[in-house]
Amino acid sequence: EDKVVQSPLSLVVHEGDTVTLNCSYEVTNFRSLLWYKQEKKAPTFLFMLTSSGIEKKSGRLSSILDKKELFSILNITATQTGDSAVYLCAVEGPGGGADGLTFGKGTHLIIQP
Amino acid sequence: DAGITQSPRHKVTETGTPVTLRCHQTENHRYMYWYRQDPGHGLRLIHYSYGVKDTDKGEVSDGYSVSRSKTEDFLLTLESATSSQTSVYFCAISGTSGNYEQYFGPGTRLTVT
Repeated sequence: EDKVVQSPLSLVVHEGDTVTLNCSYEVTNFRSLLWYKQEKKAPTFLFMLTSSGIEKKSGRLSSILDKKELFSILNITATQTGDSAVYLCAVEGPGGGADGLTFGKGTHLIIQP
Repeated sequence: DAGITQSPRHKVTETGTPVTLRCHQTENHRYMYWYRQDPGHGLRLIHYSYGVKDTDKGEVSDGYSVSRSKTEDFLLTLESATSSQTSVYFCAISGTSGNYEQYFGPGTRLTVT
């Protein structure tokens, strides 16, 4: 059974801090790993990672995948209160996205002013 | 934002009644999914569709059925609602271009009393 474990489950930091969120996975025939941000509504897509060691970056957010050690990290630098959200990690199995994603339980990030 | 709508957005129903949730997309995407999100469990796949009239079960399909008679519509039916099906239901779509990011609809909050 595919499995995705995120840590920490919750995190409180101050504005301006840098945070690192972790995602480890066990999945048969891994295809890709995805990060989503969820505020009080639907998850919104952040990154898709397929190749090991290649960093994806968007503004203050970046992510990298280690396929040998089966984990990914999501970094957020110079955090802002608008970064407060639940961050979800998900993996695609052998069918690609065609048979759905397996999600972790999320990291609830709170940025205090 | 991807063109995905869900209806209704909120529903309260009684145990034992049938309920149908609708997902409508304007993106002409081939793949559509239904997830439920519950505290402590994260997002879990209920059913998915890989084309008109082509559907398959996900991780938590018991008590649910789906239908897809048109590319743009994916219906989720609870034949006889139970309190354990109280949840937030998200529809998602992914495209046909070979990249499989899933984009989520706004969600339906269902309460079964």
